[in-house]
Amino acid sequence: QKEVEQNSGPLSVPEGAIASLNCTYSDRVSQSFFWYRQYSGKSPELIMSIYSNGDKEDGRFTAQLNKASQYVSLLIRDSQPSDSATYLCAALFFGNEKLTFGTGTRLTIIP
Amino acid sequence: SQTIHQWPATLVQPVGSPLSLECTVEGTSNPNLYWYRQAAGRGLQLLFYSVGIGQISSEVPQNLSASRPQDRQFILSSKKLLLSDSGFYLCAWSQQINSPLHFGNGTRLTVT
Repeated sequence: QKEVEQNSGPLSVPEGAIASLNCTYSDRVSQSFFWYRQYSGKSPELIMSIYSNGDKEDGRFTAQLNKASQYVSLLIRDSQPSDSATYLCAALFFGNEKLTFGTGTRLTIIP
Repeated sequence: SQTIHQWPATLVQPVGSPLSLECTVEGTSNPNLYWYRQAAGRGLQLLFYSVGIGQISSEVPQNLSASRPQDRQFILSSKKLLLSDSGFYLCAWSQQINSPLHFGNGTRLTVT
């Protein structure tokens, strides 16, 4: 079964530091990867998409993809208390019409 | 721009009662549509997805069903709710297979 795995946390990071969230996946030929942020009681919100090896930057967020090692990560620079949320990693496996989600990592930014 | 509407936001229903949750998408045509459930403190569980009108794929056997009567309308139903049906129900859409999902605001269902 194709899977996406994340450390459930909680991960605590001081305000202003870099938060690093990691995700591994089981299928070497996965095509597309996404990071979602979910605040408590709210629906997931897409924050990053990445499709090719390397880094993709968007403001304070950087997604990193390494297909050879089958991991994708999300870096949050200059962490703010408003970044406190659960971050979900998702992968689109080859031949599927649906995303597979990890169980999420709960991030807490400490003021 | 595309928007997704999901209602109601919260719902409290007794065990054995029926359920109907509705989701509509605006600003796009022929979207892929999805129903997810998230139990408290748990991950997202895909319940149903649809790639077109009348085409429904079920991911898990249970007492829920889904229908897509129109291109941009997706309905989740149950004839008789169980306590275990409580959770946060999320509708989502994507434009094509290689694109991300966009979620509605969700329905928090409590079965009592």
